[in-house]
Amino acid sequence: AQSVTQPDIHITVSEGASLELRCNYSYGATPYLFWYVQSPGQGLQLLLKYFSGDTLVQGIKGFEAEFKRSQSSFNLRKPSVHWSDAAEYFCALLDTGTASKLTFGTGTRLQVTL
Amino acid sequence: DGGITQSPKYLFRKEGQNVTLSCEQNLNHDAMYWYRQDPGQGLRLIYYSQIVNDFQKGDIAEGYSVSREKKESFPLTVTSAQKNPTAFYLCASSTPGSGETQYFGPGTRLLVL
Repeated sequence: AQSVTQPDIHITVSEGASLELRCNYSYGATPYLFWYVQSPGQGLQLLLKYFSGDTLVQGIKGFEAEFKRSQSSFNLRKPSVHWSDAAEYFCALLDTGTASKLTFGTGTRLQVTL
Repeated sequence: DGGITQSPKYLFRKEGQNVTLSCEQNLNHDAMYWYRQDPGQGLRLIYYSQIVNDFQKGDIAEGYSVSREKKESFPLTVTSAQKNPTAFYLCASSTPGSGETQYFGPGTRLLVL
């Protein structure tokens, strides 16, 4: 069965510092992968997605993610974090064989200190 | 503006009561989904519908019911059989034209009185 693991429950970074959020997946075929962001009490906003092609994908708000098949990873990065980036981040995998079902990781909560 | 709306923002349920959460989309998407979010557990799929008048159970369908009579609407009923309904409920939609990307509504928080 497919699965998504986000090993870090909570991360704290200083404003202006770089950020990397980890995501590992288990899937039998080429995955479709997503990163979403959620502010408290809000819905999920799509940051970026990987379907195929270039393994480094660019998203909104200055985020990027790199797909590494050999490591089964899809880590999210940002070179310089802003206080407004404080939120919860979810990695998700699309099961294209089963009616496009998304499997989510448990999320990483990002705190930004000034 | 195109998007997904969910109402109400907060909903209170009394013991033994059924309650219905609304989800409407004007994105002309074919597929719609309901997720439940609990702290520390990510999102779990309750029901999904790929086409009008058809829907399938997700991973945690017990105690919930849905209907899909119109393309733009996918209401979720939390029945009295759902013993632990307190959670944040998120509706999403997608279509092959969007690259199978799911777009989410703002959510409904359900609390038990």
